[in-house]
Amino acid sequence: DAKTTQPPSMDCAEGRAANLPCNHSTISGNEYVYWYRQIHSQGPQYIIHGLKNNETNEMASLIITEDRKSSTLILPHATLRDTAVYYCIEGVKAAGNKLTFGGGTRVLVKP
Amino acid sequence: EAGVTQFPSHSVIEKGQTVTLRCDPISGHDNLYWYRRVMGKEIKFLLHFVKESKQDESGMPNNRFLAERTGGTYSTLKVQPAELEDSGVYFCASSQGDRGLDEQFFGPGTRLTVL
Repeated sequence: DAKTTQPPSMDCAEGRAANLPCNHSTISGNEYVYWYRQIHSQGPQYIIHGLKNNETNEMASLIITEDRKSSTLILPHATLRDTAVYYCIEGVKAAGNKLTFGGGTRVLVKP
Repeated sequence: EAGVTQFPSHSVIEKGQTVTLRCDPISGHDNLYWYRRVMGKEIKFLLHFVKESKQDESGMPNNRFLAERTGGTYSTLKVQPAELEDSGVYFCASSQGDRGLDEQFFGPGTRLTVL
């Protein structure tokens, strides 16, 4: 079972930043936080991952609290195409580590 | 570069029949994974190949499911005989080398309907 908890849904206005929270209070020291999303009728898509430092790439930013018990995925300028289910997943960076999906957060970007 | 491809995109079969799903990973990716989402449930891991070897098949639901990866390239997932509860979307994913959980690339999935 997934060890992370996320709100089931949230709305976001187009063009605004979307801040998606995730709790992972039992995360181990060697576990990373990974974010994937699934746009309707597509396979899941990797977004970003981090261990303890904040990370940024062309898609999003990941802010991890100092105690690593929670994190926030930030979509800086949400577009309608960002409407998807977003999954926060703990994982060890080792060969063959399977992804354990929870329920995710269903994000609806509204015009 | 071609992404992960899956065939067929949809399959409708009757209970008791056999279905074979195919996955072509990204070229050069040693790791290949199968996942599935059954109706109303979360995406669940089925198994993981490293090249042609099964690394972890802990998620395979029962012995009606058989996965193979010939020559470490494409993979097939056979369901025989199919049951109603096998309906869902089956995803394949691949990742590169031994870096594990850096990034898994997913295919579009095969939607299986068992009537």
